Amino acid sequence: QVQLQESGPGLVKPSQTLSLTCTVSGGSISSGGYYWSWIRQHPGKGLEWIGYIYYSGSTYYNPSLKSRVTISVDTSKNQFSLKLSSVTAADTAVYYCARAGAIAAAGSDAFDIWGQGTMVTVSS
Amino acid sequence: QSVLTQPPSASGTPGQRVTISCSGSSSNIGSNYVYWYQQLPGTAPKLLIYRNNQRPSGVPDRFSGSKSGTSASLAISGLRSEDEADYYCAAWDDSLSGNWVFGGGTKLTVL
Repeated sequence: QVQLQESGPGLVKPSQTLSLTCTVSGGSISSGGYYWSWIRQHPGKGLEWIGYIYYSGSTYYNPSLKSRVTISVDTSKNQFSLKLSSVTAADTAVYYCARAGAIAAAGSDAFDIWGQGTMVTVSS
Repeated sequence: QSVLTQPPSASGTPGQRVTISCSGSSSNIGSNYVYWYQQLPGTAPKLLIYRNNQRPSGVPDRFSGSKSGTSASLAISGLRSEDEADYYCAAWDDSLSGNWVFGGGTKLTVL
């Protein structure tokens, strides 16, 4: 079955760019039918959608983060990535990658498969 | 402050029925599907209910979802100790350019 695994630095300095990669196994991003997503959870807090990408490269971002976020996809490696620029301590969180079904309606269907999450701390 | 409003906590004894509410607006719950996620301590969220009231395979029928207007509810019947977790509702929000919004989460304690 499809599995997702996040990877990347656990510590990022303020003002730098946070970079994470999600590797998909057990299925191909190129098959279509799904949005590949990033969601974060601040310590002890709720969930915040960051954005997602379709295999074609179409992206959709949270308006509150849009100016700092770039999500890209590498179908040859079956990976997708997150870059968040100009980070501050407020970006300290557990970052999850997840799969969401593409539907004809607005948005997407459920986030049905999640990675285990990776903790990223922003600190000098 | 989350866009969707959930009670911060709920509790029940084994075997009881518990409901968790989720309140939104016309731009999210009022016009789009509602989803529910269960997050056990130290783990990633898991899809519990999709499209208002559908259960993924493997989710017990003790869990059920409903939606009416701009509110939704998750009901758990026959409460078990392993149901102790955080529960989040979610919906697509049509405002601005569109955005997924979540509730703040409800911590369910099985007494």
